[in-house]
Amino acid sequence: EVQLLESGGGLVQPGGSLRLSCAASGFTFSTYAMSWVRQAPGEGLEWVSSIGGSGGTTFYADSVKGRFTISRDNSINTLYLQMNNLRADDTALYYCAKMRDYWGQGTLVTVSS
Amino acid sequence: QPVVTQSSSASASLGSSVKLTCTLSGGHSSYIIAWHQQQPGKAPRYLMKLERSGFYDKGSGVPDRFSGSISGPDRYLTISNLHFEDEADYYCEIWDSNTWVFGGGTKLTVL
Repeated sequence: EVQLLESGGGLVQPGGSLRLSCAASGFTFSTYAMSWVRQAPGEGLEWVSSIGGSGGTTFYADSVKGRFTISRDNSINTLYLQMNNLRADDTALYYCAKMRDYWGQGTLVTVSS
Repeated sequence: QPVVTQSSSASASLGSSVKLTCTLSGGHSSYIIAWHQQQPGKAPRYLMKLERSGFYDKGSGVPDRFSGSISGPDRYLTISNLHFEDEADYYCEIWDSNTWVFGGGTKLTVL
């Protein structure tokens, strides 16, 4: 059974940093691209970033380019999202997704002073 | 960048059928899309991918009541024999040019 478990969310001040993690199990992690998708309160889904199976290719939404970094450690089946220079409009529930077909339960990031 | 358009809301009666529409912008009508369901307070759940041929491939455990179809640039998700548990937001999406694009979602109310 595929499982994706996010962690690392919390309350952070504007300009601060957080690192999200997503522990994956139930599939051969290194052979699949992975993504982060966020959902602001009361809003729809917004893609944030994706990474290829080997970690060699990464893609970002314009809204986070230059501030967020996606990475993965295939030795421990874990996906990461390093978020720097956080802004109020980054406040959202952040989901880890195995490209298109499985979703985690999400971790909440709140950016507020 | 592709544009994925969905109606903001839909409603149908318990036990009836509903057809939700997702329209792809010009030049993207051949793309494979996927449908996801998000019940209130829950994470999204993958329902199916839908190819330009009309073939659809459903995710694990998705009931037979859910089906997909296409017509030109329009992609459809049909839910038959509506249950109250089908009340949810439904999102379609495409992956294009290293960008994952979601529609705005359709909020389905089961009356």
